[in-house]
Amino acid sequence: DTAVSQTPKYLVTQMGNDKSIKCEQNLGHDTMYWYKQDSKKFLKIMFSYNNKELIINETVPNRFSPKSPDKAHLNLHINSLELGDSAVYFCASASGGYEQYFGPGTRLTVT
Amino acid sequence: QKEVEQNSGPLSVPEGAIASLNCTYSDRGSQSFFWYRQYSGKSPELIMFIYSNGDKEDGRFTAQLNKASQYVSLLIRDSQPSDSATYLCAVNDFGNEKLTFGTGTRLTIIP
Repeated sequence: DTAVSQTPKYLVTQMGNDKSIKCEQNLGHDTMYWYKQDSKKFLKIMFSYNNKELIINETVPNRFSPKSPDKAHLNLHINSLELGDSAVYFCASASGGYEQYFGPGTRLTVT
Repeated sequence: QKEVEQNSGPLSVPEGAIASLNCTYSDRGSQSFFWYRQYSGKSPELIMFIYSNGDKEDGRFTAQLNKASQYVSLLIRDSQPSDSATYLCAVNDFGNEKLTFGTGTRLTIIP
């Protein structure tokens, strides 16, 4: 059983398009996160939701909009994609915000 | 701005030797410390966490924390080729949902 799953695994799209990434966790955790890992492997938090409420919103362009329909799901919608958005996006979940468990990642390539 | 510093490596260690990975952090208020392992093309995987000063052992892994020196390390005994990966250090504050990651140390175990 996959604990934290993401779809799609790979996403190739052109500049200016809008795309979404979906995340689901079956661990019963209250908190979910979106991270971006750039080409230098630096992992940086973007957003966090606790029980569907946004609790962390880092300095991220407002082209990025997270949505949490319930505490097991956290989606990320990106408008007007730019070349610099190319990265691996990881979803993670945690109970109590400490030990975070990551999904397999979505490799986004913007051409 | 909280910072977590790691030597990016690569760190090469002979098989069977002890690998020592180091991490320093800037925020004295940091309370929880985590080590994640990330294989190339895969997601970060939690391997150790430590909250109190001193050592914490789990199998071949030992985490060491010195809050006075703002220093946390990970020792891997009897290193195996399967330990070759990037090791990410992460810290957060008590009650804070946000993890701050270092840039990671790439470890190579030489057979």
